[in-house]
Amino acid sequence: NAGVTQTPKFQVLKTGQSMTLQCAQDMNHNSMYWYRQDPGMGLRLIYYSASEGTTDKGEVPNGYNVSRLNKREFSLRLESAAPSQTSVYFCASSRDTGELFFGEGSRLTVL
Amino acid sequence: GDSVTQMEGPVTLSEEAFLTINCTYTATGYPSLFWYVQYPGEGLQLLLKATKADDKGSNKGFEATYRKETTSFHLEKGSVQVSDSAVYFCALMNSGGSNYKLTFGKGTLLTVNP
Repeated sequence: NAGVTQTPKFQVLKTGQSMTLQCAQDMNHNSMYWYRQDPGMGLRLIYYSASEGTTDKGEVPNGYNVSRLNKREFSLRLESAAPSQTSVYFCASSRDTGELFFGEGSRLTVL
Repeated sequence: GDSVTQMEGPVTLSEEAFLTINCTYTATGYPSLFWYVQYPGEGLQLLLKATKADDKGSNKGFEATYRKETTSFHLEKGSVQVSDSAVYFCALMNSGGSNYKLTFGKGTLLTVNP
């Protein structure tokens, strides 16, 4: 069982560059999430998708866009990266019981 | 809005010591409560949960009881092991409508020394 798969695992960008983080789950979950994790800040929700075709803003959506391509895939896009977006990004999916299944994380550095 | 406050770390213990990590919450209604654990270099995984007042969640020797009167969900383990070294996150879910979002605390780093 692959669970939740994120790519890439590591990425270095220059300020102003764009990139997309990919996430796929094979558990047939309805809900998917993107979080960022920063030291001393815990996990903060960027965007989530309660079902295929819907997306909603979380706590810190500015500077990001998302696409729920189908039930399996939920991508996060940085259109113009900024140093403040240096972080570890986690994708998660849920069967709507509160149990989230997380990917291994994507470590992004913006110079 | 909803919020979770957990004790700041880091917490350093010797093997076989007793562990308590405090967690309190603010929420409307009747949230479900969770503890997640993050081992080094990995994503978070569910450790235990409780869905209503006075429920006790337990897993791998860890326990937490949902106390509505004190709005708390403290994590305890009677005898920690080196392998328990990780970051622990308390979280709550208020499933208003169809939005199953979790609110996380900031995490507590636990280091267990042999």
